[in-house]
Amino acid sequence: KNQVEQSPQSLIILEGKNCTLQCNYTVSPFSNLRWYKQDTGRGPVSLTIMTFSENTKSNGRYTATLDADTKQSSLHITASQLSDSASYICVVSAQYGGATNKLIFGTGTLLAVQP
Amino acid sequence: EAGVAQSPRYKIIEKRQSVAFWCNPISGHATLYWYQQILGQGPKLLIQFQNNGVVDDSQLPKDRFSAERLKGVDSTLKIQPAKLEDSAVYLCASSVDRQRVSYNEQFFGPGTRLTVL
Repeated sequence: KNQVEQSPQSLIILEGKNCTLQCNYTVSPFSNLRWYKQDTGRGPVSLTIMTFSENTKSNGRYTATLDADTKQSSLHITASQLSDSASYICVVSAQYGGATNKLIFGTGTLLAVQP
Repeated sequence: EAGVAQSPRYKIIEKRQSVAFWCNPISGHATLYWYQQILGQGPKLLIQFQNNGVVDDSQLPKDRFSAERLKGVDSTLKIQPAKLEDSAVYLCASSVDRQRVSYNEQFFGPGTRLTVL
C-alpha cells in the first residue's frame, strides 16, 4: 500500500533555531518527492521537488534530502523565522506512465515558531 | 501569472443541503484536480481532469459528489446532499502536464472551507 508518514506531528521551536522534519514513504513506482508549505487558510506551495537521482536540494533556508534506498526524506529549516510557522507536507509521486502522476500526501508536520 | 482561483472562500450549510464550489485554473493548464483536506490531514484526491475528461475519480463519493469541467477550463464541484463528515477544505489545483518531463508541478488555490452543521 502506498503510504507517506511524517514525524513529528507537531513541533514548537524558538525563532532563530534550526529544525528537521522527517518523511518515510512506501510508494511504488517512485517518481519524485516534494515538500510543500501550507500556511493557515491557504493552499500548499511547493518548496522542493527531488527525483530519484537527487540527494539534496535547497530553496533558501530550506534544505531537503532524499535517501531512495531507505525511502526517507528530511526537510531542514535553518535560522527559523516567525513566517515559517505552517504545516509542512511531504508528498511522493508515483508515475504510472505518460505525463500524469499520482500524488500520495503525508499528514504534515505542524511547525510553530515562537519569538 | 495569476494563480488558481476558487470561490467561495468559506461556506456554512446545514446537513442535507446542497453546495457548489468553483475553480478557475492557471491559464493553459490542461490538468485540474479537486482535493478534500480534513483538518489535521493531508489532501485527498477526489477527482482529476485532463482537459474536460476524467482521469481519476476513484475516491469521489459518487452518490453525493459530482464534478464537471465542460469546456476544459473552469470546474465546479457539487455536494448533494451534504453530511457532517463533509466538513473540510476543498482545494483545487492545476498543472501543465508537459510530456517527457520528470515531474509536473501542481499549483494549488486557496481552498474553500466548508462547514456542515
